Parts: sequence; C-alpha cells; structure tokens
Amino acid sequence: DTGVSQDPRHKITKRGQNVTFRCDPISEHNRLYWYRQTLGQGPEFLTYFQNEAQLEKSRLLSDRFSAERPKGSFSTLEIQRTEQGDSAMYLCASSLARDTLSSYNEQFFGPGTRLTVL
Amino acid sequence: AQSVAQPEDQVNVAEGNPLTVKCTYSVSGNPYLFWYVQYPNRGLQFLLKYITGDNLVKGSYGFEAEFNKSQTSFHLKKPSALVSDSALYFCAVRRGSSNTGKLIFGQGTTLQVKP
Repeated sequence: DTGVSQDPRHKITKRGQNVTFRCDPISEHNRLYWYRQTLGQGPEFLTYFQNEAQLEKSRLLSDRFSAERPKGSFSTLEIQRTEQGDSAMYLCASSLARDTLSSYNEQFFGPGTRLTVL
Repeated sequence: AQSVAQPEDQVNVAEGNPLTVKCTYSVSGNPYLFWYVQYPNRGLQFLLKYITGDNLVKGSYGFEAEFNKSQTSFHLKKPSALVSDSALYFCAVRRGSSNTGKLIFGQGTTLQVKP
C-alpha cells in the first residue's frame, strides 16, 4: 500500500490552456475526494465519488472543471480554459466506507498537484 | 452552514513545553471532528478524530484533542512539544448526517517549536 498518489506534482500552464490531473487512491478505497487549497487557506471541497459515481459537486466547481472516475479506480480532474485564479494546490483524498461505522473513516490525502497559471 | 475557525495563525512554543492549537466549529447536528498536519511539500496527514464516546481523543505522535460540546471546540494538545512538531495544522469538521463525508477545513495554524 503506497498511499494516494497524484500526477503531475507540478504543472505550469498558460492562461486558456487545458490541464488534466490524475489521482490514484489507495486500492481498496471506494470514496474519492478532490479539494483545492490556496496559499494561506485550508483545503476546500470540490467533488466526491462513491465508486464510479460522482455524487456531489461544490459550487466552486465551475463549468470549466470536470472530474471522472472510470471503473471506480483512478480519477482525473480536468480544467478547461485555465484562468489565473485557478492557480492552487489540487488535493486528492480517498477513504473506505463499507458500512455505517466505516463511513466515519478518515480521509487519506495525496501530495497534491500544484498548478500555476501564467 | 458548516464552518471551522482556527483563531491563531501561528503558535510559538519552546521545545518541551505543552502546546495547544485552538479550533472551534459550527455545524448542524452531531459534529465529527478531525485534525490533520501538513509538512512542506507533502500532503495532509491524519492525526486524530472524534466521532463519539470519550471527549478526550488520543492520536498519532503523542497528540490529543478534547471535544467540548458546550464550547463547540476541539483543541489540539500535546504535553511536551518537539522541534519536529513544527508544521501547519488543520482542524476539520464533517456534519454527522452527511452522506458524502466531505470535510470543511479551518484556515490552518502554523506551529513553530523552538529549541
């Protein structure tokens, strides 16, 4: 078990370009979360998957953002037509929730992808 | 709306002294509370959680936290600080009735432990 991994770790792009990030959760975890963290702030929830189903999206997630989790394994987060305000650390987390008790399990976070939009 | 407040941007403590990092929360229903630590260029690491039961929760690396329902607080504590405890600490809350388990984080408190 190598933990949650994210790729790339850093991404620099020009305004208007599209970017895609990947998250590989801990293998048996059925829940996957994306958060965004800006400098000096705590992480903010973006979206949540239970297996392959995207069950909740934050209002922070504009139409330019899309996330997928095909087959309930890895997930991708795509940002289209990037803006300078998208510059942030994008964090992925996973957890295991098989029953009521385990639904309170803590989330395990990846190292994040730092996006810089020039 | 759910929210978490960490009133101190930074806490300074001498090595060997006790430390406290404060957290207050606002949530409807039963709160589920978490502390995470973030080291530079690394992801958040889970320290401890309160779900139910004993108000004093013990976690990793000698940390503990006390849930106080009347004061809506969940302060993080350690009896004797280490220089290696220096990091950014986040308190987070989850609404008990939430089906998704999404976390609401505070803005973080930087802990600086000086030798």
